[in-house]
Amino acid sequence: KNEVEQSPQNLTAQEGEFITINCSYSVGISALHWLQQHPGGGIVSLFMLSSGKKKHGRLIATINIQEKHSSLHITASHPRDSAVYICAVRLDSNYQLIWGAGTKLIIKP
Amino acid sequence: ETGVTQTPRHLVMGMTNKKSLKCEQHLGHNAMYWYKQSAKKPLELMFVYNFKEQTENNSVPSRFSPECPNSSHLFLHLHTLQPEDSALYLCASSQVLGGSDEQYFGPGTRLTVT
Repeated sequence: KNEVEQSPQNLTAQEGEFITINCSYSVGISALHWLQQHPGGGIVSLFMLSSGKKKHGRLIATINIQEKHSSLHITASHPRDSAVYICAVRLDSNYQLIWGAGTKLIIKP
Repeated sequence: ETGVTQTPRHLVMGMTNKKSLKCEQHLGHNAMYWYKQSAKKPLELMFVYNFKEQTENNSVPSRFSPECPNSSHLFLHLHTLQPEDSALYLCASSQVLGGSDEQYFGPGTRLTVT
C-alpha cells in the first residue's frame, strides 16, 4: 500500500461542476502539497499547507491532520482545469516528498 | 526567463547510445532534484543536490550518472539504458533543502529508449 493514496484516479465532469479530489496519507508529515501537471509535463505547485484551509481563485485546499486527509476542490470547473492533480507530503522526519499517483481530471465543455 | 528549463524536451535513444539531459534554474536556488515519472506511477526521486553536493541517491542504477557543476546547473548523463527507462525526467529546484520551501519544476524531458 502506498503511503499517499489519491482518489479518484480518473475524473470526468462537465464544465461548471464542483470538483473534489482526495488525498489520504499514512505517515507523519510536516506539510502537504497539491500540484498540477498539464499535458506536456510541467508541474506547478498550487498549495502547500500544514493545517486548515487555503484558497486561491477557484481552488480550495483543506487538510485534516488528525484524519490524515486532504481535499482539493475546484469551483465552477472549466475545461482549462483539465490536468493531473498530484498530492505530495513532506515527511516530518526528513526533507523528502512522498508522491501520490495523481488524479487525471477532464472537464468537458 | 522561465524559472527552471530543461533540454532537450524530447529524446529518442538506442540502448547503446550515450546522451545527457540538462537542467538550468534561474531562481537562485541551492537545492536541485532529478525525478523520474513513469506512466501511471508516482514521481520517483532519483538524485538530490544541495549546494552542489549530492545528498541523495535513491538506489538509482549506475547507467544514470548525475553531475552538478554549480548551483544553477544539473545534468543527467545516460548510457546503455534499457527500454524500461523510457519515462518523463523532471528537474526541480528549491531555495533550500527541506524546510517549508516549494519545489519548482522544469517542463521535463520525454525519453524514449528503443
